[in-house]
Amino acid sequence: DAGVIQSPRHEVTEMGQEVTLRCKPISGHNSLFWYRQTMMRGLELLIYFNNNVPIDDSGMPEDRFSAKMPNASFSTLKIQPSEPRDSAVYFCASSLGQGRAFFGQGTRLTVV
Amino acid sequence: ELKVEQNPLFLSMQEGKNYTIYCNYSTTSDRLYWYRQDPGKSLESLFVLLSNGAVKQEGRLMASLDTKARLSTLHITAAVHDLSATYFCAVAGSYNTDKLIFGTGTRLQVFP
Repeated sequence: DAGVIQSPRHEVTEMGQEVTLRCKPISGHNSLFWYRQTMMRGLELLIYFNNNVPIDDSGMPEDRFSAKMPNASFSTLKIQPSEPRDSAVYFCASSLGQGRAFFGQGTRLTVV
Repeated sequence: ELKVEQNPLFLSMQEGKNYTIYCNYSTTSDRLYWYRQDPGKSLESLFVLLSNGAVKQEGRLMASLDTKARLSTLHITAAVHDLSATYFCAVAGSYNTDKLIFGTGTRLQVFP
């Protein structure tokens, strides 16, 4: 398996623009996580899905953020409109049951 | 709300020395994970600890879990430069959930 695949790897966008981050989890995994990493706040869990259903979105910072998982092999994290403080590395991870979570390579987002 | 704390946050150690990183968490949990992150890279799973008293070892790293004390340790034996990285512990939010909350991370630097 190729592991968790995220795209794009890097994204630079202007404030106010819509940004969509994409994730393909490992085949067969039933849990998917979106994390955000910054120097100031560390690794924050934004949302997690189980069997394509959002279970806990309490970490989503505000209404500008939304996440979907239309099927078991694809998820998106959307920011609309984006702001400079959204600049961070966004990681997607997937796991099977209560096993360890495997992380993608991350998307480095810069909002100018 | 589950909180996960690590100490120290930064650790600079000489090659050949031993040291321990501590991970404390605030609520009962049945699973704890250790991850490694190299600068600019993704997170790599090191250990999964599933029960009280569990001990896992790989190379110069050994992890243990005390669920009664809500404490895990990552012990480094005879450190080498290649171990330089940031180490995170992650705790499952509660029983029967896949939600993982990460600690603050410990940045380890090993020098000659």
